[in-house]
Amino acid sequence: RKEVEQDPGPFNVPEGATVAFNCTYSNSASQSFFWYRQDCRKEPKLLMSVYSSGNEDGRFTAQLNRASQYISLLIRDSKLSDSATYLCVGFTGGGNKLTFGTGTQLKVEL
Amino acid sequence: DTGVSQNPRHKITKRGQNVTFRCDPISEHNRLYWYRQTLGQGPEFLTYFQNEAQLEKSRLLSDRFSAERPKGSFSTLEIQRTEQGDSAMYLCASSPWTDTEAFFGQGTRLTVV
Repeated sequence: RKEVEQDPGPFNVPEGATVAFNCTYSNSASQSFFWYRQDCRKEPKLLMSVYSSGNEDGRFTAQLNRASQYISLLIRDSKLSDSATYLCVGFTGGGNKLTFGTGTQLKVEL
Repeated sequence: DTGVSQNPRHKITKRGQNVTFRCDPISEHNRLYWYRQTLGQGPEFLTYFQNEAQLEKSRLLSDRFSAERPKGSFSTLEIQRTEQGDSAMYLCASSPWTDTEAFFGQGTRLTVV
């Protein structure tokens, strides 16, 4: 089982839609989680950190459920510019190693 | 520019040649990571440094791969006797300390022909 798993998609949604991504992790000792965004042939860029209490940044909301070991990202009012791959990331190995999921591809269409 | 810097951006090499990539992290970031990414996959962990100490290496990092961070600042990743399967994007990231987000360089795209 991979340490961090995501549905690879693609998710094709119309502009203005709400879309949610889930990610599961296998190591219950993992402490810190993040969502990164990666555009085609570019480097990953931090989108937001994920806190147990949940956190929101504009149209983006991240949630962490430690009991079920999953992380979610909700995007409201999708824009064409949101089209990208979204990577779920967690610290594994006792907080030493950033481990990435395979990424979920989002395509927002007119 | 105070971000993570990687050089070269692109490298084309013949199979069997050695290549070396350089990464300059954000100033005063103690942690430095190397990842490899192929099309359709997330970045795969290769190795990381805490200052000049290399603390973990992935099983992906065969004997042909070596990484250094001699003074705890910039790092190099060398691949000896390159193979076509080494063709990928090599990404470097740095973070100020453990358990915090990492910031990536633009990567070095390696093509082995």
